[in-house]
Amino acid sequence: SQQGEEDPQALSIQEGENATMNCSYKTSINNLQWYRQNSGRGLVHLILIRSNEREKHSGRLRVTLDTSKKSSSLLITASRAADTASYFCATIPGGGADGLTFGKGTHLIIQP
Amino acid sequence: DTGVSQDPRHKITKRGQNVTFRCDPISEHNRLYWYRQTLGQGPEFLTYFQNEAQLEKSRLLSDRFSAERPKGSFSTLEIQRTEQGDSAMYLCASSPASPKTEAFFGQGTRLTVV
Repeated sequence: SQQGEEDPQALSIQEGENATMNCSYKTSINNLQWYRQNSGRGLVHLILIRSNEREKHSGRLRVTLDTSKKSSSLLITASRAADTASYFCATIPGGGADGLTFGKGTHLIIQP
Repeated sequence: DTGVSQDPRHKITKRGQNVTFRCDPISEHNRLYWYRQTLGQGPEFLTYFQNEAQLEKSRLLSDRFSAERPKGSFSTLEIQRTEQGDSAMYLCASSPASPKTEAFFGQGTRLTVV
């Protein structure tokens, strides 16, 4: 079953603009991860944020986590055509379980 | 390429046939995962190995599905008596010994049951 939902389901912006995607989840987590998927490279890990962290940066990526609201956001700044892909948030639950639970994803299209 | 590799990349089978997929994880990773992804959905967790031990199985893993990792290296996922609903992308991932870290995914095996 899917843990949560990404919002929006689809997003189309102009190259150079910023893209923001949101993710909500249902249960307590150990960490939350964002992945990118395109037809050429499969699923690629982008960034991991632990439950005791509130914000994390990696290059043009900024992730926030609000455990009280069970939500996260992914910001991609200065978007490029190569950022066109589907973006998924995935959670690792607290406790002993170790498998990732993914949302349905946001399909991002960067218009040149 | 020393990433996660899956074989075959594509498989077309008739309903009722058995199929087997193989996954070779990154060599130093002792955790190996199988996921299934259908069109327009995120991947769904199926099962997880730590070395050769199968530690978690999803409710999605019906009796027709079996996974093995006999020597703690490569893994196989077998689907018996395939059904059209089994058509999906089957993804394998591996991660290092430290728990709850990022996973490295293979390109997947796309199964079509006709």
